[in-house]
Amino acid sequence: EAQVTQNPRYLITVTGKKLTVTCSQNMNHEYMSWYRQDPGLGLRQIYYSMNVEVTDKGDVPEGYKVSRKEKRNFPLILESPSPNQTSLYFCASRVDRGKNTQYFGPGTRLTVL
Amino acid sequence: AQKITQTQPGMFVQEKEAVTLDCTYDTSDQSYGLFWYKQPSSGEMIFLIYQGSYDEQNATEGRYSLNFQKARKSANLVISASQLGDSAMYFCAMRDTGRRALTFGSGTRLQVQP
Repeated sequence: EAQVTQNPRYLITVTGKKLTVTCSQNMNHEYMSWYRQDPGLGLRQIYYSMNVEVTDKGDVPEGYKVSRKEKRNFPLILESPSPNQTSLYFCASRVDRGKNTQYFGPGTRLTVL
Repeated sequence: AQKITQTQPGMFVQEKEAVTLDCTYDTSDQSYGLFWYKQPSSGEMIFLIYQGSYDEQNATEGRYSLNFQKARKSANLVISASQLGDSAMYFCAMRDTGRRALTFGSGTRLQVQP
């Protein structure tokens, strides 16, 4: 089954404790992206990657890091989480041609205390 | 910069009736794509329909159709014969041709009443 998976789905952590949210897709997509969703703001892009070893900032990159060592994986790293990073996070991927429809993972609900 | 505006924070519709969710956009690009996604209470983002800026016909996908009016820069979603399972948050989004990101509106919460 074609899908984007994220882990963990739910996470409660404390300020300053480094964490990683994993994202994996099995569709051989070149493009992957991370978004955060906050009430009243829709989804905003954090980082994206056009292919292996190619990453770039989105609209709200502060406080986040990413890496793309393999085509299928695109982890999101919070080196020192803060309460304002409490949010719902989505990973997405798509093939870089045609309609460019993005397929989203199930989401990770993060709470930073 | 691109911008998507959804002016209806919430909508109610009776089961089996049609409903239109509004979306207007702003872009200086000539080539762009417009998307609608559904987010049920379970949280996942479900792709519904796509309209390319050069598509001559309005997109349709089953009960979903996109009323694309390029001159007005609007891309309204029409859901025909609403079902209880259509109750969800609906997001309009536009593809950024530069970095290929999606810019999202703030969403419309649709509630279908029996």
